[in-house]
Amino acid sequence: EAEVAQSPRYKITEKSQAVAFWCDPISGHATLYWYRQILGQGPELLVQFQDESVVDDSQLPKDRFSAERLKGVDSTLKIQPAELGDSAMYLCASSLPNSGQETQYFGPGTRLLVL
Amino acid sequence: GEDVEQSLFLSVREGDSSVINCTYTDSSSTYLYWYKQEPGAGLQLLTYIFSNMDMKQDQRLTVLLNKKDKHLSLRIADTQTGDSAIYFCAEKFSGGYNKLIFGAGTRLAVHP
Repeated sequence: EAEVAQSPRYKITEKSQAVAFWCDPISGHATLYWYRQILGQGPELLVQFQDESVVDDSQLPKDRFSAERLKGVDSTLKIQPAELGDSAMYLCASSLPNSGQETQYFGPGTRLLVL
Repeated sequence: GEDVEQSLFLSVREGDSSVINCTYTDSSSTYLYWYKQEPGAGLQLLTYIFSNMDMKQDQRLTVLLNKKDKHLSLRIADTQTGDSAIYFCAEKFSGGYNKLIFGAGTRLAVHP
């Protein structure tokens, strides 16, 4: 069964350092999403790609966060510099556009701890 | 505005039915979803319902939708210990590009 892959699964870093997370969506899924899930809350969309283009980054803190999907397949989310408040689970999801309900399928997530 | 609300905790006895409730605000939502999250894991899609339906059944899961009251519920029949997890309700926000708005999740604890 096809799955969304993410790495690393866990990351510990010190504040002011740079971190990067990687996501490989389900093959053929043109839409890719990055969510942030703070402990005790539901996921919140950070950025959404359609192929290589950003279609929604309204909730992305652009002073320190960046995301790219250069070839329209896998994607990287970067934080520089990391802050204590960035400690959270970062979830990647993908979906097949124009597929009715366009279900989003989630990866296992990357848990980030900033010290 | 965009908001989805859920009760935070539910405790049930093994074998009983569980009912998890959710309210949402976007009356134009086309789809509503239920996801399950086990500790340290990502979200697993359980089921979804289209906004023109009022009920959907899938094995032990029954989803009820009251569009007038913007109320969604998930019923799990014959609840098992393996059902212990956090359950998230999500609406597909009509103002976004397939953007999902999630509730804070309901933690379901199943005890013997």
